[in-house]
Amino acid sequence: NAGVMQNPRHLVRRRGQEARLRCSPMKGHSHVYWYRQLPEEGLKFMVYLQKENIIDESGMPKERFSAEFPKEGPSILRIQQVVRGDSAAYFCASSPLDGRVLSNQPQHFGDGTRLSIL
Amino acid sequence: AQKVTQAQTEISVVEKEDVTLDCVYETRDTTYYLFWYKQPPSGELVFLIRRNSFDEQNEISGRYSWNFQKSTSSFNFTITASQVVDSAVYFCALSEGGRTGGGNKLTFGTGTQLKVEL
Repeated sequence: NAGVMQNPRHLVRRRGQEARLRCSPMKGHSHVYWYRQLPEEGLKFMVYLQKENIIDESGMPKERFSAEFPKEGPSILRIQQVVRGDSAAYFCASSPLDGRVLSNQPQHFGDGTRLSIL
Repeated sequence: AQKVTQAQTEISVVEKEDVTLDCVYETRDTTYYLFWYKQPPSGELVFLIRRNSFDEQNEISGRYSWNFQKSTSSFNFTITASQVVDSAVYFCALSEGGRTGGGNKLTFGTGTQLKVEL
């Protein structure tokens, strides 16, 4: 009965490198959300995906950041040419498909990936 | 636009004291959902409660209770007889009425750091 799995737990990159963060949602969940938590701050929404579709990317920086949730495999958050300001905890959450319009299932969070940029 | 305000940045109490964490929200939607999450020092996010805008009943779960008041747009969280293990950052969050399929992004407050001392 695994929960949301994120890896790696910690990731260190040098400026200019690429960072790839992975998220496997809970079994049966088809919605994935990515959030970023800067030091001493709350979580900020980045992107919401369903299988093979980006539904809402209103919180994603316009450059260097991308996300995908392929038909097979985990969701990936990719940060190209990382800079020091990308240092943060990145959380993934998932929720199940629910046909009821007013339902809004609670999101279950992974343990996060702590990204440090040297 | 939706907004969540947690005015208390940090609260310190002595074990066994009761403590209330405040949460005030703003939204234009008539249908919305409110959440509380706990983030212990280990960093993961733990779901505590979800409340929809049509249900103003207060809820109690063990030492935890929640007071939802639409008239003041508040969703406060009380811990009775606090314990050292309650020390954590607590986040209040809001999402607007779920689309078909149950997904929607969360807007988080900046969190309240609760320290419970012996």
